[in-house]
This record gives sequence, C-alpha cells and structure tokens, in this order.
Amino acid sequence: DTGVSQDPRHKITKRGQNVTFRCDPISEHNRLYWYRQTLGQGPEFLTYFQNEAQLEKSRLLSDRFSAERPKGSFSTLEIQRTEQGDSAMYLCASSPVAAYTQYFGPGTRLTVL
Amino acid sequence: DQQVKQNSPSLSVQEGRISILNCDYTNSMFDYFLWYKKYPAEGPTFLISISSIKDKNEDGRFTVFLNKSAKHLSLHIVPSQPGDSAVYFCAASGGSNYKLTFGKGTLLTVNP
Repeated sequence: DTGVSQDPRHKITKRGQNVTFRCDPISEHNRLYWYRQTLGQGPEFLTYFQNEAQLEKSRLLSDRFSAERPKGSFSTLEIQRTEQGDSAMYLCASSPVAAYTQYFGPGTRLTVL
Repeated sequence: DQQVKQNSPSLSVQEGRISILNCDYTNSMFDYFLWYKKYPAEGPTFLISISSIKDKNEDGRFTVFLNKSAKHLSLHIVPSQPGDSAVYFCAASGGSNYKLTFGKGTLLTVNP
C-alpha cells in the first residue's frame, strides 16, 4: 500500500498563470477529497469525488478552480489565472465509500508571486 | 463561523507527563470526530477517532474522550514522548459526504 501521493510537492508561479496539481489516491479508495490549508488554519474542504463523479463543491472553490477525476483513479486540480490569495497548501485525501477516516497525501505547496 | 475550535494554539509538556489537547464544536449534526497529527511539510496523519455513540476510545498511549452534552472532546497522550511534538488537528464529520471540518490546530511540544 503506497498511500496517497501528490505531485508536484512545491509550485512557484507568477500571478495570472495557470497551475495544475495531481493526486493519486490509495488504489482501492472510491472517494477522493481536496482541501486547502493556509497559514495558521486547519485544512478547509474544497470538493470531493466518488469514483469519477464530483459530488460537492465548496463555495471556496471559485470559477477559476476546476477539478476532475476522469477514470475514477487519479484527480487533478487546476487553478486558472492564479492570484496571490491562492497561495496555500493543497491537500488531497482518499477513503473508502462510507468511511469517516481519510488518508492524506503530503500536499502541494503553491506560492503565487 | 468556526464550527470546530481548538482554543489553545500551543501546549508544552515534559517527556513522560500527560498531554491533554482540547477541542470544542458547535454543530450538533457532527457524529464522528477524529484527531490528526501533522509534521511540517507533511500531510496530516490519522491518529484516533470516536463515534458520537461512544464517550471514550483508546489506542495505546492515545485516548479520546467525548462529552456530547458539552460539545467537547479531548485527546490524552500518556506518556508523552519527544516524537509526539507536532501540530494536532481536531476534525469532525456529519452527513453523507463525510467531509471533514477541522480546527486550527494545537502545536504540542514535548520537552526531553
């Protein structure tokens, strides 16, 4: 069991650029969650998938954010026209269906200059 | 409004003593509670959890207590070890989406 992986671990970009992050969940987990964590705060829910279906999006997820899980395996989170306020740690987690415990990846640290 | 609150940003204890981390919640719909531990530059690691139908769950050195009437839970670590030094997050869940609502975390430092 390799756990949840995320790529890249760090991303520095200039304001206005687009960025894409990838998450590979634990292989048998049907649910995949994205969270965002800023300095001094706990992780905040962004969106989640059950298999390939995106079932809920937080109001934190503006129109510039889009997430996909095309084949029910890995997921991508894209941010278009990045802003300095997007600087944060983006965390991915996975779980079996109807399970409370989520297992987190190491996160992608985004810095927008 | 914060639905999960960890009012102590930091806690310092001596090795071998008990660490008690506290968490309060406001949403009565929460029915499952978890504690995660986080080291710098890593993702949160699941530690222990408790269902709302229980008032105590124990796993080795870690015990979580839940007081539903007070909407309060606590994590006890006995004995504390220097390797326990990390940020501890309390999280709560309720509803079919199983999404987690986190507190802001408590930085625990265990001094040798």
